[in-house]
Amino acid sequence: QAGLTQPPSVSKDLRQTATLTCTGNSNNVGNQGAAWLQQHQGHPPKLLSYRGNNRPSGISERFSASRSGNTAYLTITGLQPEDEADYYCSTWDSSLSVQVFGGGTKLTVL
Amino acid sequence: EVQLVESGGDLVQPGRSLRLSCAASGFTFDDYAMHWVRQVPGKGLEWVSGISWNSGRMGYADSVKGRFTISRDNAKNSLYLQMNSLRAEDTALYYCAKASGGGIDRPGDLWGQGTMVTVSS
Repeated sequence: QAGLTQPPSVSKDLRQTATLTCTGNSNNVGNQGAAWLQQHQGHPPKLLSYRGNNRPSGISERFSASRSGNTAYLTITGLQPEDEADYYCSTWDSSLSVQVFGGGTKLTVL
Repeated sequence: EVQLVESGGDLVQPGRSLRLSCAASGFTFDDYAMHWVRQVPGKGLEWVSGISWNSGRMGYADSVKGRFTISRDNAKNSLYLQMNSLRAEDTALYYCAKASGGGIDRPGDLWGQGTMVTVSS
């Protein structure tokens, strides 16, 4: 089953802004948008945003999500050392009737 | 405390079966869909299966369709994954995740710590 496309790695300086991308098609990202999850090494994933820019309770406003066409974006402002993690996008594919994930982006904060 | 606790992971031989369980607490279990998601150590996330709040809809990844069965017992606040005809490529850490709503199209917003399944002779 086709997944979503994410760049394998992104590196940004401390206190800068990182924008992560997630590309799908009209049956998934273009239709449903995407959720974003953060995973630190050795820990389970944590949901950062879903259904546009809805953030679960406790998630910092430094994380914001958006979408343009078939591509979803996660923007992280004022990068902190603790933001260094793997970031995954996911959504429902209405054609395949499955949840699909991106391959993940490893964010390094320099 | 809101939490999900998986259990049942083990080392099994190819072709054998295993049943995973996920115990939920701290939220109204029967309001939400649930998912199983797996992750090979060092690799990405792969959705395995999902079940709606009332078991009315279930979905499976192609890689497990016909071999795995998801179920839930709302009276026991528990989610299950029956895994048959296990293969080496099923080796992974299996996470239980609560969906953000009642349908399986909703993402997981609460994740357990995972239970490890190793398929090897």
